[in-house]
Formats: sequence, structure tokens, C-alpha cells
Amino acid sequence: EVQLVETGGGLVQPGRSLKLSCVASGFTFSSYWMYWIRQAPGKGLEWVSSINTDGGSTYYPDSVKGRFTISRDNAENTVYLQMNSLRSEDTATYYCAKDPAIRGGYWGQGVMVTVSS
Amino acid sequence: DIVMTQSPFSLAVSEGEMVTINCKSSQSLLSSGNQKNYLAWYQQKPGQSPKLLIYYASTRQSGVPDRFIGSGSGTDFTLTISDVQAEDLADYYCLQHYSSPLTFGSGTKLEIK
Repeated sequence: EVQLVETGGGLVQPGRSLKLSCVASGFTFSSYWMYWIRQAPGKGLEWVSSINTDGGSTYYPDSVKGRFTISRDNAENTVYLQMNSLRSEDTATYYCAKDPAIRGGYWGQGVMVTVSS
Repeated sequence: DIVMTQSPFSLAVSEGEMVTINCKSSQSLLSSGNQKNYLAWYQQKPGQSPKLLIYYASTRQSGVPDRFIGSGSGTDFTLTISDVQAEDLADYYCLQHYSSPLTFGSGTKLEIK
């Protein structure tokens, strides 16, 4: 059974940093692209970042480029999202996802990040 | 960036009825290389994470009931839910993954009368 468990969320002040982790199980982690997708309270979905299978290629939308960094550790079956210079508009539930748009796509349950003073 | 225009914003139907949700992309999502449309549909029930229903515009994810049907090509796509059940109460989203940045439709809230 595929499982994705996100941790690391919480309340953080504007301008500070936070690192999210997502531990995967139930599939061959190193064979899949991994994604972070967020959802502000009561709002729609926004893609945040993607990473290829070996971690050599990463992708971001302009809204987080230069502030967020995605990485992965295939030995630990874990994908990370380092978030720096956080803003109030980054407040959201952050979902980790395994190749979300193709056969077998799967999302974790999400972790809440609140940016507020 | 590819803009995904999803409609309607919300709809309310009775059990047993059929619903249609539309997504229109600002550019074609059809790959000339493999003839696949890079469009997915998701269902998000209250308090849950999104669940993949349809990928490549019309292929149903394993385990998804056959009353969920995806259709369309190029720039116009449709999710049809026939014989709506109470358990289908949810928000539905489309996603294009043809080009970066990946972009979602704004969502459709399905309510059951």
C-alpha cells in the first residue's frame, strides 16, 4: 500500500524558514518523480515544486522560485521542501505527491504551514 | 503559462442524475509525439487530500467507478459523472501537466440535493 507521510509543518513568522519532509513507502521511491502541491485555506490547488528520480532536476513556479528548494534522499525514501523567506501568502496545506498526474498517482494527507507574526 | 478555465464553479444535483464539468486550456495539451493529452482530473472530498480519477484526459485510475468518464482533446475537456451518488460530494479539479508551470483549474464544488 502506497503511503506518503508529511511532517514539519507549523506556525512560523514571516521571513523565517521551515523544512517539510515526506516519507514514502509501498512503492519503489527512486523510480518516481515527486511533487509538492499546496492549498491555501478554502482555496484551490497550486503546484509548488517537482523533482526527478535522481534529484538532478528540479522545477518551481515563479511564486516560490529562489525561496523554496526541493530535494530527495532515495536511500531514505524521503523528499524534502526547504522553505525560506516565508510570506503570509505561503500559508497553506502542503501535499507531497507521487507522480500525481499519471497511472498510480497518489497524494499524502498534507501538512499545514501557517506564516504569521 | 497555460491557463485552465474550469466551469461551473458549483452545481447541485440529485442522486442518480448526471453532471458535466468542463476545463478549457489556453493552449493545446495534446502531445504530437505520443498523441496523449496531458490533462488529469481529481476528486477532493471534504477534509481529505485530492485523489486522481482520470489521467491522460480519458483513462480511469484503477479502482475508480466507471460512472466517472473523462473526455476531450486539445483544449477542451470534460469530466462526466453519471448516476451521481451521495459519496460523490466533493470538489473536482483539472490539472494540465503539458508544460511548466503545472496549472490547475479553479475547481468545481459538487453538492447533492
